[in-house]
Amino acid sequence: NAGVTQTPKFQVLKTGQSMTLQCAQDMNHEYMSWYRQDPGMGLRLIHYSVGAGITDQGEVPNGYNVSRSTTEDFPLRLLSAAPSQTSVYFCASSYSSPGGQLFFGSGTQLSVL
Amino acid sequence: AQKVTQAQTEISVVEKEDVTLDCVYETRDTTYYLFWYKQPPSGELVFLIRRNSFDEQNEISGRYSWNFQKSTSSFNFTITASQVVDSAVYFCALRALNTGNQFYFGTGTSLTVIP
Repeated sequence: NAGVTQTPKFQVLKTGQSMTLQCAQDMNHEYMSWYRQDPGMGLRLIHYSVGAGITDQGEVPNGYNVSRSTTEDFPLRLLSAAPSQTSVYFCASSYSSPGGQLFFGSGTQLSVL
Repeated sequence: AQKVTQAQTEISVVEKEDVTLDCVYETRDTTYYLFWYKQPPSGELVFLIRRNSFDEQNEISGRYSWNFQKSTSSFNFTITASQVVDSAVYFCALRALNTGNQFYFGTGTSLTVIP
């Protein structure tokens, strides 16, 4: 009964470093997405995917890459970390039908120094 | 365009008071779903309720109730007899049939219940 598994929980990077946030779900959800949460700004969509091999940009995609090679996994890559990317990141998944609720991972607190 | 507005940024109430969290949405779709999520201080996001655009019945679950009014494009959330454990950030979200299945979140309302 894992649901959405997101790793790591905490990460500190130096400016310019790259890293990958991992996300996996075991509910056979077609839809997967990444959000960042900053104080006063709610949840902002970074990238999303409606199925393996299909990804699209959300509201704040710059500086991030994603890929979806399998239904289960949806990693988020920071190419060259910047202090503006300091945030809490959430992975989420759902069925594609509009009534499907989002299931969230536990979040990653990322600090870029 | 799809948009969700939660105009109340922060609310403080004294324990046992009732409190209503407002959510106003915009969409041109006729088929859509509205959601409420709770984010307690521990940080996880917890699903509370889903309502589809064809069902305007209000819903009550214990101390929680939701008032969906299409005429005013609102989906308000009321907590009766608030408790300290209700202290959290609450998010309202919209998902419409014809917008790539994206979820559109409001900016959240931070509720503090004072003992």
